[in-house]
Amino acid sequence: SQTIHQWPATLVQPVGSPLSLECTVEGTSNPNLYWYRQAAGRGLQLLFYSVGIGQISSEVPQNLSASRPQDRQFILSSKKLLLSDSGFYLCAWSVGLTGSYNSPLHFGNGTRLTVT
Amino acid sequence: GENVEQHPSTLSVQEGDSAVIKCTYSDSASNYFPWYKQELGKRPQLIIDIRSNVGEKKDQRIAVTLNKTAKHFSLHITETQPEDSAVYFCAAPPGSGNTGKLIFGQGTTLQVKP
Repeated sequence: SQTIHQWPATLVQPVGSPLSLECTVEGTSNPNLYWYRQAAGRGLQLLFYSVGIGQISSEVPQNLSASRPQDRQFILSSKKLLLSDSGFYLCAWSVGLTGSYNSPLHFGNGTRLTVT
Repeated sequence: GENVEQHPSTLSVQEGDSAVIKCTYSDSASNYFPWYKQELGKRPQLIIDIRSNVGEKKDQRIAVTLNKTAKHFSLHITETQPEDSAVYFCAAPPGSGNTGKLIFGQGTTLQVKP
């Protein structure tokens, strides 16, 4: 069966410090990978998605970047964190191209980031 | 691009009553509509989804209905229980095809009172 691992679970970082969140998926090949952010009490905002190694699409202009160095590894980074980067970051995967319908998203357990 | 509106933002029901949450979408080409449940501090989990080639889907106490003409879909929970209390999100893809991307509604906080 497929599993998704995301770490760390919680993170407190000062403003201006760098960030690296990592996500890996097991049990599937060539998944679509996603980073979502959820502000406190708010909905889920898509930040990045990737359909293959080195292929990253950014959905919103921001202080963050993403990379996919391996097929099942997705990394979210920042060179200098802002207070507004605080939130709950969720990695997700779905089955790659399978036809005309989307496949369900499967979320990791999330990283709660607090920028102080 | 796709816009998903979800109502109500909060919903309080008595245990045993039914709960209905409605979402509207803007892109008529959207063809897949999932619902996620998120308990406090946890990840969203898929509870039911529907494709555009059907109008209704049921799974025990949960059902989803789709009206493509009006571009809205609804989640129906019958015989609600306290463990149904959570935030529920609807979602829709921007257009047709398996792009994988989903645009989420703002969420509905459901409280089931014992």
